[in-house]
Amino acid sequence: AQKVTQAQTEISVVEKEDVTLDCVYETRDTTYYLFWYKQPPSGELVFLIRRNSFDEQNEISGRYSWNFQKSTSSFNFTITASQVVDSAVYFCALSEQNQGGKLIFGQGTELSVKP
Amino acid sequence: KAGVTQTPRYLIKTRGQQVTLSCSPISGHRSVSWYQQTPGQGLQFLFEYFSETQRNKGNFPGRFSGRQFSNSRSEMNVSTLELGDSALYLCASSPGGTGLYNEQFFGPGTRLTVL
Repeated sequence: AQKVTQAQTEISVVEKEDVTLDCVYETRDTTYYLFWYKQPPSGELVFLIRRNSFDEQNEISGRYSWNFQKSTSSFNFTITASQVVDSAVYFCALSEQNQGGKLIFGQGTELSVKP
Repeated sequence: KAGVTQTPRYLIKTRGQQVTLSCSPISGHRSVSWYQQTPGQGLQFLFEYFSETQRNKGNFPGRFSGRQFSNSRSEMNVSTLELGDSALYLCASSPGGTGLYNEQFFGPGTRLTVL
């Protein structure tokens, strides 16, 4: 069965702190895709990253970095030197091969960055 | 390119009524997916349409239905509304195609309130 777990419901940090959002997934497929989306208060989901199951390279994009480990079925997201504008709900999601547009989302982690 | 548009943005209905939500995908995209977001259940996949055919379906009752037109615009309909149908309904479009994952772009959502 497909499942995505984001154990952290809410995280609160002070600006400039580093913060890691955890994501653990379950799937029986060998080919799958993992995603992170950001949902600001406006409600629209903003795509951050996609990673396929054959690419375990970590990725860094500015202050954002992602750590994908198949051995532990985890796809964690780190924000370095957090800023108030990073405050949002972050979702991790899974899609299996040939599932088209079907994304399985985690419950989301609400990140609050205080000045 | 214009993004995904959803109309209306806000809607208030009463129990027992029906409602139709509309989604216009990005030009050239052939796949449209619908998601329901509630505080209790999180983001859940409703269905996906590709080239006017339903390609994938989530676990929702038959009161939830959809369709896609030849110009790829999609509508979803909820009949006999219940209080629990109050949610943010998000639409996502992607280029489509099978066997490959296509990045999804989300619209701003329609906030449905059922009284």
